[in-house]
Amino acid sequence: NAGVMQNPRHLVRRRGQEARLRCSPMKGHSHVYWYRQLPEEGLKFMVYLQKENIIDESGMPKERFSAEFPKEGPSILRIQQVVRGDSAAYFCASSPGVTATGELFFGEGSRLTVL
Amino acid sequence: AQRVTQPEKLLSVFKGAPVELKCNYSYSGSPELFWYVQYSRQRLQLLLRHISRESIKGFTADLNKGETSFHLKKPFAQEEDSAMYYCALMTNAGKSTFGDGTTLTVKP
Repeated sequence: NAGVMQNPRHLVRRRGQEARLRCSPMKGHSHVYWYRQLPEEGLKFMVYLQKENIIDESGMPKERFSAEFPKEGPSILRIQQVVRGDSAAYFCASSPGVTATGELFFGEGSRLTVL
Repeated sequence: AQRVTQPEKLLSVFKGAPVELKCNYSYSGSPELFWYVQYSRQRLQLLLRHISRESIKGFTADLNKGETSFHLKKPFAQEEDSAMYYCALMTNAGKSTFGDGTTLTVKP
């Protein structure tokens, strides 16, 4: 069972461009979480999704950021009109559902650099 | 709303010394608490969870509901323990909240 797969691992964008980060959860997992880690800072929750539904997006910036988890295919975190402050590592985690264990399985992250 | 606080951003100890990484939480319900670890250039991974009451790599953590704490402890730190440690809370609705993390450095 492959782990959580994120791509691209590294992405460079110029200011004003769009960034799309993809996350394929572990097989059998229907819950996806996105987190952002700014340089020298901790992990910050962004959004929690189930298939075709956004459950909690309280950590998402109000503008330019969106996320989806379609019925088929990976979850996508989209950042429009990127700015230098968006440079960070974006981590995805998945879980099989709301279970007693609650363990999250993390991807290796996508590192976005905005020039 | 839930909150997880890790008061120490950086913690440095010598090899063989005891180490305690602090974690306090606030949540009105009954939380599930976890410690995750991120070694250099590796993905974040689960270290231990409170419901298991297990010791992993010599680390233990006891949930203290009275003090709303879930501190991570190890009696004798090793250099390979150097990493970033996150305390996390999961609600029964599946919402997760992580602390800001503590970077532990174990010096030789």
